[in-house]
Amino acid sequence: DGGITQSPKYLFRKEGQNVTLSCEQNLNHDAMYWYRQDPGQGLRLIYYSQIVNDFQKGDIAEGYSVSREKKESFPLTVTSAQKNPTAFYLCASSNSQGYTEAFFGQGTRLTVV
Amino acid sequence: AQSVTQLDSHVSVSEGTPVLLRCNYSSSYSPSLFWYVQHPNKGLQLLLKYTSAATLVKGINGFEAEFKKSETSFHLTKPSAHMSDAAEYFCVVRSSGGGADGLTFGKGTHLIIQP
Repeated sequence: DGGITQSPKYLFRKEGQNVTLSCEQNLNHDAMYWYRQDPGQGLRLIYYSQIVNDFQKGDIAEGYSVSREKKESFPLTVTSAQKNPTAFYLCASSNSQGYTEAFFGQGTRLTVV
Repeated sequence: AQSVTQLDSHVSVSEGTPVLLRCNYSSSYSPSLFWYVQHPNKGLQLLLKYTSAATLVKGINGFEAEFKKSETSFHLTKPSAHMSDAAEYFCVVRSSGGGADGLTFGKGTHLIIQP
């Protein structure tokens, strides 16, 4: 059935290591987003993409990178430059036309060990 | 620019009593408004949405919200709370006046249900 799939659900990263979070959608949405969620801070936008092969930085892009080679996929890499990566990461997608709702994946919890 | 203010960071009610979660917004454009619910370690699930049709919107699990343009409010209500309603709730605004992605999130309201 249609939706957004994030994997893995839990991820552990060692200091200085890059890790990649997967996000796949089969809703035929043009727009995809990555958010970071920390306790008491709501959701903060990391990157977003409105079309294949194009993406823009959000409010907290430093230390992160993305790619959008396929409409269905929008992976997020947390690089070693991100000094405090422990957080809950949410991927979302939506139609880019009109003010429609965003659909969210189930999240990935990243912990630095 | 647009903004969303969820007026209470925490709300505690007894099971079987009404729920009121307050949301005020600011937007220079005609926005769409949404309420999402998030259970621990889960993604956000859409409860209901307002997109310039009826001002009283009914959603899932018995929730509803009323869009009041004059008060710039979109409060979420439920007549009778259930233990399973305990979660985090987010009010979201979307318009062409929003951020880079058009979406603006409130900080969230943590709903606690007392037995």
